[in-house]
Formats: sequence, structure tokens, C-alpha cells
Amino acid sequence: AQKITQTQPGMFVQEKEAVTLDCTYDTSDPSYGLFWYKQPSSGEMIFLIYQGSYDQQNATEGRYSLNFQKARKSANLVISASQLGDSAMYFCAMRGNEKLTFGTGTRLTIIP
Amino acid sequence: DGGITQSPKYLFRKEGQNVTLSCEQNLNHDAMYWYRQDPGQGLRLIYYSQIVNDFQKGDIAEGYSVSREKKESFPLTVTSAQKNPTAFYLCASSILGGTVVEQFFGPGTRLTVL
Repeated sequence: AQKITQTQPGMFVQEKEAVTLDCTYDTSDPSYGLFWYKQPSSGEMIFLIYQGSYDQQNATEGRYSLNFQKARKSANLVISASQLGDSAMYFCAMRGNEKLTFGTGTRLTIIP
Repeated sequence: DGGITQSPKYLFRKEGQNVTLSCEQNLNHDAMYWYRQDPGQGLRLIYYSQIVNDFQKGDIAEGYSVSREKKESFPLTVTSAQKNPTAFYLCASSILGGTVVEQFFGPGTRLTVL
């Protein structure tokens, strides 16, 4: 069985600072993918970044980067130079087959 | 524009009534999914389908039913057997392709049972 753990229910960060959202996972699958999604108050899920279990380098997408530490089974999301528009719920998810397993999320609030 | 549509955005029903939530995609994706989200929680998988006329139960299928008669459509029926149906429901789709493939989500339907 797959499990995703996000231990930070909420975070407050000053605008323009960097922020790290934690995610640890557990799986017995040798091959898996890790995803981060952003959910604004409107409710839609916005895909941010993907990391494959065999990828040698950490994924980056603009201001988003994924700090992937396979031995520790962690896949933390780093947002650089945070903006007010980054305030939202953030979900870590893992895909081992055709199904996606989600964590409980972290509510990020950016303070002006 | 390609995407996933869910309608309506807000839905109110009386207790004991069945209700069907629609989900349509024009992305030509083979796989479609239904998730339930409760306040302050992550998404939980209700049902998914990888091919027309076939679908599998997810983690919380009790009290729900689905059909997949067309590739583009994957409606979800919330039956009166669902004990606590008030929630936010999200539909998603993806191509088939194992671990690499991301899922695309619709805007969601917020169901309130009175």
C-alpha cells in the first residue's frame, strides 16, 4: 500500500521568502512518481511539478523545485521568492500504478 | 480549449435522493477518476476507469456508482446509501502510462445534502 504524509497542516511565510513544504512517502513499488498540486480557494487542482523515482536530478519548474531524497523517502516542495498568489493548499501525491494517493495537504499563507 | 468540465459547480439535494454529477473531458484521455474531498482533507479515490465500459472501485466506493459508456464521459451517482454525501467532488483524467503521467482535474462540484 502507498502512503503519503504531510506533517505541516498550515504555514505562514513572509512574502519574497523561500518556503519548504514537507512530504514523506511509503511504498513497496520499485517505480513510482511523485507529484505536487496546488489548490486555490476556488477548488481546482493545479499540477506544479513531477519527480520520477529513477530521476537522478531534482525536478525544477520555474520557482518550484522538488528536493527528492530517495533514501529518506522524502519529496519536499521548495517555492522560491514566495508571492501573495502562492497562498493555497498544497498536496503531495504519489502514483505507483494507475492510482494517485494524496497526502492531507498543507495550507500555505503568504503574509505581505 | 481542451479540458475537463464538471457541472454544476454547486448542487443541493434532499436526504434520501440519488444525485448524478457529470464529468466530461475533451482531452482524448483513456483514464478517468472520481475523488471526494472533505474539509481540511486530501483527496480520496471513489472510482476510476481505464477503458469504456469498464471501471474499478477506489478506496471509498460504497454508496456511489459510475458508468463509462463513452470515452469522454464518466458520471458519478451518489446514492441514498452514502451515509455522509456532503463533500467536494473532483473528476480527473489522464492518458494511460504508469507512474509518469499526471492527472488533469476539473473545477469540482460541491454537493450539499440537506
